[in-house]
Amino acid sequence: NAGVTQTPKFQVLKTGQSMTLQCAQDMNHEYMSWYRQDPGMGLRLIHYSVGAGITDQGEVPNGYNVSRSTTEDFPLRLLSAAPSQTSVYFCASYPGQGNGYTFGSGTRLTVV
Amino acid sequence: AQKITQTQPGMFVQEKEAVTLDCTYDTSDQSYGLFWYKQPSSGEMIFLIYQGSYDEQNATEGRYSLNFQKARKSANLVISASQLGDSAMYFCAMRPYGGATNKLIFGTGTLLAVQP
Repeated sequence: NAGVTQTPKFQVLKTGQSMTLQCAQDMNHEYMSWYRQDPGMGLRLIHYSVGAGITDQGEVPNGYNVSRSTTEDFPLRLLSAAPSQTSVYFCASYPGQGNGYTFGSGTRLTVV
Repeated sequence: AQKITQTQPGMFVQEKEAVTLDCTYDTSDQSYGLFWYKQPSSGEMIFLIYQGSYDEQNATEGRYSLNFQKARKSANLVISASQLGDSAMYFCAMRPYGGATNKLIFGTGTLLAVQP
């Protein structure tokens, strides 16, 4: 089982550039989410999805877009990167019951 | 407000000793779940242990146990017989069961260093 796969693992962007962080899961989980991790602040929820075609904002959504066209994929888009978006990004999936959250290995993004 | 508080930014423990990592939470939901995750220097998030708010017994998973005190809203992680490989960042998290977000709320973490 691959679980949750995030790509890329590392990325450097210039201010104003756009990019998409990819997240794919093969467990048929309905719920997927994106978190960012910053020093001293734990993980904070950016966007989440409760199923294909349904997304909503989390705690820190500004500067990020998401879509969920399939159960498997939940990409995170940065339309115009800013240095404040330098962070480690985690994608997670959840089947909707129990305690089985599965996290991807993370993407370390630096915006210069 | 729903919040997780971890008041210990860093902890030291001698190898083979037990250590307790503190976690308190705040929620108005009657039903919720509490989680502990380990994040080693490699960066991945590793699930350690789960406690449901209606579970009457404290959760245990091998060397990990969760000291759940509902009235005090605390969910401390106890690691027995520490090993060098336990050196990592540890996060406490809560999932309120009210609403449909299924989101996890994380604390700021405790960095544990196990000394030989």
